[in-house]
Amino acid sequence: GAGVSQSPSNKVTEKGKDVELRCDPISGHTALYWYRQRLGQGLEFLIYFQGNSAPDKSGLPSDRFSAERTGESVSTLTIQRTQQEDSAVYLCASSRTSGSKNEQFFGPGTRLTVL
Amino acid sequence: KNQVEQSPQSLIILEGKNCTLQCNYTVSPFSNLRWYKQDTGRGPVSLTIMTFSENTKSNGRYTATLDADTKQSSLHITASQLSDSASYICVVIGSLSGTYKYIFGTGTRLKVLA
Repeated sequence: GAGVSQSPSNKVTEKGKDVELRCDPISGHTALYWYRQRLGQGLEFLIYFQGNSAPDKSGLPSDRFSAERTGESVSTLTIQRTQQEDSAVYLCASSRTSGSKNEQFFGPGTRLTVL
Repeated sequence: KNQVEQSPQSLIILEGKNCTLQCNYTVSPFSNLRWYKQDTGRGPVSLTIMTFSENTKSNGRYTATLDADTKQSSLHITASQLSDSASYICVVIGSLSGTYKYIFGTGTRLKVLA
């Protein structure tokens, strides 16, 4: 079946604008994760959704960042009033459940550039 | 502090040669450790997953080892191919009160030359 898809693949925006990134997880996967990967750095956890439970937002760097997920399907990550330090690749991953041994399948990422 | 450190930061080898990548971690309590391969412009893809009790796990030409006592892992690549050129990321999953935290290393960038 289809893997995790993300859109857009690239986004260039001006400082101060809002952006919305989309993630389509693998069908049937209840867990969904957002990560940020700055150039030359490791992945940073942002937020995690598991079914209908309250999301784990502990990784969101500021209140400019928010994310939503409709049921067990599409998720959107919104960054308000973008800053240059928000420039990074934003990766989404999904897994069958939230168990630690469940493999996370990653999307190709959205490369965000804030000018 | 939960950390995952990888070495070397980058590596260049000739096609057909072997190489070993290192991962040291301080994540506790430990649940499992994974190695991912990330091609340029793509998301990471899982190579191996190892639990506390597993010392070695292979996936084709990739062999991962884990020493939970010293909190070290390695990824050995045998008979390297040009397609092995990628970043290799070590990820340690820690468990705490039923929740899991994924701690990512910064990766080793491998370049295989013809």
